[in-house]
Amino acid sequence: SQTIHQWPATLVQPVGSPLSLECTVEGTSNPNLYWYRQAAGRGLQLLFYSVGIGQISSEVPQNLSASRPQDRQFILSSKKLLLSDSGFYLCAWSGYEQFFGPGTRLTVL
Amino acid sequence: AQTVTQSQPEMSVQEAETVTLSCTYDTSESDYYLFWYKQPPSRQMILVIRQEAYKQQNATENRFSVNFQKAAKSFSLKISDSQLGDAAMYFCAYTVNNNDMRFGAGTRLTVKP
Repeated sequence: SQTIHQWPATLVQPVGSPLSLECTVEGTSNPNLYWYRQAAGRGLQLLFYSVGIGQISSEVPQNLSASRPQDRQFILSSKKLLLSDSGFYLCAWSGYEQFFGPGTRLTVL
Repeated sequence: AQTVTQSQPEMSVQEAETVTLSCTYDTSESDYYLFWYKQPPSRQMILVIRQEAYKQQNATENRFSVNFQKAAKSFSLKISDSQLGDAAMYFCAYTVNNNDMRFGAGTRLTVKP
């Protein structure tokens, strides 16, 4: 069966610091992968998606970036975090529907 | 642009009763997929039910069923025999090709014992 992992589970970072969130998928090959952000009490906003290694599509211009160095690995990064980057970040992969990881709660102080 | 609207920020239901959560969407596509996801306090997103737009029959999954009205672009979720574990945020979602999934703002469901 397929599983999706995200780490870290929680993260507190100062403004201006770098960021790296990792997502890995097991049990499937060449999945479509997605990064979402969920602000407190809000719905999900699609940030990036990837249909293959090295292929990244960005939905929202911002100071975040994504990379897919391996087939089942998807990384969300930032060189300098902003206060507005705080939120809950979810990684997902898709088959007939999207399956979500457990999420990372990011607080930028 | 496709949008998904959930007009009920909060709903409550008595345990064992039935509740219906509303969702409308805007699209010019004829083939698409609709979903309801549940997000409990753990914040794990859990798929509740899925509907293909080309299917006229409403999807059902145990106590969960949908009322899909394609012409009206409406996709409501009915929860029967509500249980305490059903308390969560519920998100309606729409996609054409799974690379552009749009979510509503969510409905917070409270289940009263």
